[in-house]
Amino acid sequence: GAGVSQSPSNKVTEKGKDVELRCDPISGHTALYWYRQRLGQGLEFLIYFQGNSAPDKSGLPSDRFSAERTGESVSTLTIQRTQQEDSAVYLCASSSNTISGEKLFFGSGTQLSVL
Amino acid sequence: SQKIEQNSEALNIQEGKTATLTCNYTNYSPAYLQWYRQDPGRGPVFLLLIRENEKEKRKERLKVTFDTTLKQSLFHITASQPADSATYLCALWMDSSYKLIFGSGTRLLVRP
Repeated sequence: GAGVSQSPSNKVTEKGKDVELRCDPISGHTALYWYRQRLGQGLEFLIYFQGNSAPDKSGLPSDRFSAERTGESVSTLTIQRTQQEDSAVYLCASSSNTISGEKLFFGSGTQLSVL
Repeated sequence: SQKIEQNSEALNIQEGKTATLTCNYTNYSPAYLQWYRQDPGRGPVFLLLIRENEKEKRKERLKVTFDTTLKQSLFHITASQPADSATYLCALWMDSSYKLIFGSGTRLLVRP
């Protein structure tokens, strides 16, 4: 596609439920990033992929968070047993590679609300 | 600890003036510094990148400076317009970890 696509754009869930957030990066982009943005705050790094590998998972807040990427394309961020503090916008971004600090192209995000 | 600081207070200026936004960082050695614009309900959009060995970069009405001694970047918008109103984020690229780390952003309001 022309840009980074994220779905759903909005997700309301009950505390304790699992959610899956999807990211379709720009075709051909090998690097993919997930960030979290709480209301009125900056972007918090969660995880990045180079190809299908995730060399750095240090930003994942807890073991309830996991992510995978397949076919060097689509990525899914899964949050298990959601908590109210997980409410935020989850942003996905892609770039042509991670090596030279290329600019990131962001999707519009998934607004997650945990009731 | 490592920190990226941007002014949390909104910058309110008159149309036509120059807006200057500041990004300060501590305990980082970034290879690159990037600036992004974010509008409400949207993801950030890339504006400019400046490398550690560059002092200044320009693009149309935008200018970025990078002082690795002061650990500071300044972002200028000349002849500002109401359409420039948005939140501006600085981000540091760490070659050591292949991560782009963001500041919390500064909101710019340009009054007509």
